Amino acid sequence: NAGVTQTPKFRVLKTGQSMTLLCAQDMNHEYMYWYRQDPGMGLRLIHYSVGEGTTAKGEVPDGYNVSRLKKQNFLLGLESAAPSQTSVYFCATERGDRDTDTQYFGPGTRLTVL
Amino acid sequence: GQNIDQPTEMTATEGAIVQINCTYQTSGFNGLFWYQQHAGEAPTFLSYNVLDGLEEKGRFSSFLSRSKGYSYLLLKELQMKDSASYLCALMDSNYQLIWGAGTKLIIKP
Repeated sequence: NAGVTQTPKFRVLKTGQSMTLLCAQDMNHEYMYWYRQDPGMGLRLIHYSVGEGTTAKGEVPDGYNVSRLKKQNFLLGLESAAPSQTSVYFCATERGDRDTDTQYFGPGTRLTVL
Repeated sequence: GQNIDQPTEMTATEGAIVQINCTYQTSGFNGLFWYQQHAGEAPTFLSYNVLDGLEEKGRFSSFLSRSKGYSYLLLKELQMKDSASYLCALMDSNYQLIWGAGTKLIIKP
């Protein structure tokens, strides 16, 4: 089992360019999350999904969009990248039955916006 | 709102014991998590406390006092591989995780 995978691992964008980050899981988890991690700050939730076809905003959603068309995939889009979006992006999954609330993280995507 | 505080950095010696503290303020509480994150890697789950008291898991233990808004992670018999950041995270009333900035633990021989 691959667990949680993210593509790409690294990316450099110019201001104004767009891109999509892909998170894929083979754990059959209902909940999926997108976080960003910046130096000196805790992980911050961008968007999340509690099931196929559903998405919701987190703490810092501006400048990002998401889609969950299939249960196993959660996509994060940047329509017009800005230098403030330079960060490490982590996807996480959770079973969603509330008996086990552990989140499992992908390896991260390191994004630089010039 | 919610707030989580933990020390930015700590240093300890191989073979010793270290305690990493986490204090929090919140209006809703559904548990407190500790995660380990090695440099350049993803966070991985260490422990979960929802009731007051100590949870022991091998060399690692985690303690919670809900009335004091306080938790700690205790690491015994420190090994060099324990050098990492330790993240405290609070699960709020909406079952979302609110993360502390993490404590970078440096282990010296």
